[in-house]
Amino acid sequence: DAGVTQSPTHLIKTRGQQVTLRCSPKSGHDTVSWYQQALGQGPQFIFQYYEEEERQRGNFPDRFSGHQFPNYSSELNVNALLLGDSALYLCASSLEPRGYEQYFGPGTRLTVT
Amino acid sequence: RKEVEQDPGPFNVPEGATVAFNCTYSNSASQSFFWYRQDCRKEPKLLMSVYSSGNEDGRFTAQLNRASQYISLLIRDSKLSDSATYLCVVFPTGGFKTIFGAGTRLFVKA
Repeated sequence: DAGVTQSPTHLIKTRGQQVTLRCSPKSGHDTVSWYQQALGQGPQFIFQYYEEEERQRGNFPDRFSGHQFPNYSSELNVNALLLGDSALYLCASSLEPRGYEQYFGPGTRLTVT
Repeated sequence: RKEVEQDPGPFNVPEGATVAFNCTYSNSASQSFFWYRQDCRKEPKLLMSVYSSGNEDGRFTAQLNRASQYISLLIRDSKLSDSATYLCVVFPTGGFKTIFGAGTRLFVKA
């Protein structure tokens, strides 16, 4: 049973650049949520995708956008990177209606220099 | 006020000790509550759900007090392998934005 996978594992970008992170949900799951986790903090909810639509968004600027594909995989895009965007980006999948049971991927560690 | 607040850490305890973590949440309409465990530089993993009636899983006991908007996690007979960060998680009513606390770091020493 394949768990949640994310790519890439690590990424180094320069301020002002754009980045795309990818996530494949756990087999059988249909919902993907994205989180940002800064060092020493808990994960912060960015947004959630279900049926290829963003259905809720956290307190993140429009520079953060996403997409969900028909196979339920998802992308997180961040434009105009800032130094403060350096963090661990986590993807979590779940299956409706048990959306509260989330399984996390290993994350992508993004460093912005 | 933060939506979910946890005990500041770290907690340093010897093997075999009993340790308790507390968490408070601000939204009284919150629906579901969980404890997650996160090892250093790893992803969070669901430890257990929290119910008003309390629930127990081996050495771990979780309690919810809706009136006080308070959640707790008790670990008995601590093991070295329990060393991790414990995250309090709140799932809202009528929404999908899961809210994590900042976490409490536990170190269990021999």
